[in-house]
Amino acid sequence: DTEVTQTPKHLVMGMTNKKSLKCEQHMGHRAMYWYKQKAKKPPELMFVYSYEKLSINESVPSRFSPECPNSSLLNLHLHALQPEDSALYLCASRPVGWVVDTQYFGPGTRLTVL
Amino acid sequence: KQEVTQIPAALSVPEGENLVLNCSFTDSAIYNLQWFRQDPGKGLTSLLLIQSSQREQTSGRLNASLDKSSGRSTLYIAASQPGDSATYLCAVLSGANNLFFGTGTRLTVIP
Repeated sequence: DTEVTQTPKHLVMGMTNKKSLKCEQHMGHRAMYWYKQKAKKPPELMFVYSYEKLSINESVPSRFSPECPNSSLLNLHLHALQPEDSALYLCASRPVGWVVDTQYFGPGTRLTVL
Repeated sequence: KQEVTQIPAALSVPEGENLVLNCSFTDSAIYNLQWFRQDPGKGLTSLLLIQSSQREQTSGRLNASLDKSSGRSTLYIAASQPGDSATYLCAVLSGANNLFFGTGTRLTVIP
């Protein structure tokens, strides 16, 4: 298995809803990432997990709550989002070793906040 | 902080033409540079990765070069096809987790 999967592909939610995005990889990668990408903009890093521990939080609002329950799974819990949070959310993973390797990206979840 | 710039922002070419996309970065202390392809509303597909010690990489009709000292990379696409139409993103890895993206070049290949 050489891919990163993300579910759901599309999500529409109201500002009072609670939802979660899921990312999964079975490549044995121990670094996992969440990115946010607005239309016609490059991806922006949100969170980095290394060995299931949060290592980087790029000053993301607390309405976004990441979770890494095991080495294959990364979640992003969403609560009380704003319409400006509508974007493509990308997950990525990377093998951790002495050679810095590429990040492998999933297909993304298109989020619309009404 | 690393800044990555891509020129041009958009490019339209007739089918069959060869073309070059440009990427420049401000800090030459990088681990590697990658070129990605992104179709509208989709995720990123890695095209080529060049380690900092390498000068170029080739895959099929694609050739990417890296001049780390001048902070430049080019992506050469030979014999362009309509299926090549997409946004191409350049990204440099400046730290183990610090992947800095350019703003992309939107390519349209006209049949």
